[in-house]
Amino acid sequence: EPEVTQTPSHQVTQMGQEVILRCVPISNHLYFYWYRQILGQKVEFLVSFYNNEISEKSEIFDDQFSVERPDGSNFTLKIRSTKLEDSAMYFCASSTRQGWADTQYFGPGTRLTVL
Amino acid sequence: QQPVQSPQAVILREGEDAVINCSSSKALYSVHWYRQKHGEAPVFLMILLKGGEQKGHEKISASFNEKKQQSSLYLTASQLSYSGTYFCGTATYSGAGSYQLTFGKGTKLSVIP
Repeated sequence: EPEVTQTPSHQVTQMGQEVILRCVPISNHLYFYWYRQILGQKVEFLVSFYNNEISEKSEIFDDQFSVERPDGSNFTLKIRSTKLEDSAMYFCASSTRQGWADTQYFGPGTRLTVL
Repeated sequence: QQPVQSPQAVILREGEDAVINCSSSKALYSVHWYRQKHGEAPVFLMILLKGGEQKGHEKISASFNEKKQQSSLYLTASQLSYSGTYFCGTATYSGAGSYQLTFGKGTKLSVIP
């Protein structure tokens, strides 16, 4: 069964460094998302991406964050100048249709630890 | 505006039933239910797209009351495997043809033998 994959599974970085989290969505999906989950808290929407551009973003998704689909398969989240509070689990998700009307399939997540 | 889930936590014995509620202060276009086990990704359970819609998946079902802007998840004859945190995600219109899925804080369900 097709699934969303994410790499790395765990990323440790120093405060102030840049990190890139990678995702490979399900191949026939057109809508892509990033979510964040701080340990023990709820899943928070960061951004949705369709047709090579951001379609929606939350207040969390400020200038520190950017997303890109550099080729036909990868979808990346870049976090510049990481802060301690960026430590969280980051989930990528994808869907065939717009997210409100379709199942969003989540990847296994990348645990980001900022020291 | 995140949906409000209740209860925050519930402990069940195997075979007992539970209801998890999800309500929103905004008009909803759809409700999504997920279950997350500790250290794992959320796993999709079901999506409800229309007011009045009810869906079932084995012994887990859900309803969506569009007018009341709420949804309920019903777990019957609970099994140990049902343990986890249940999140509802509500899709609301955020303008310019965009929708956003916002998750509640979750309901931690523990099923004990």
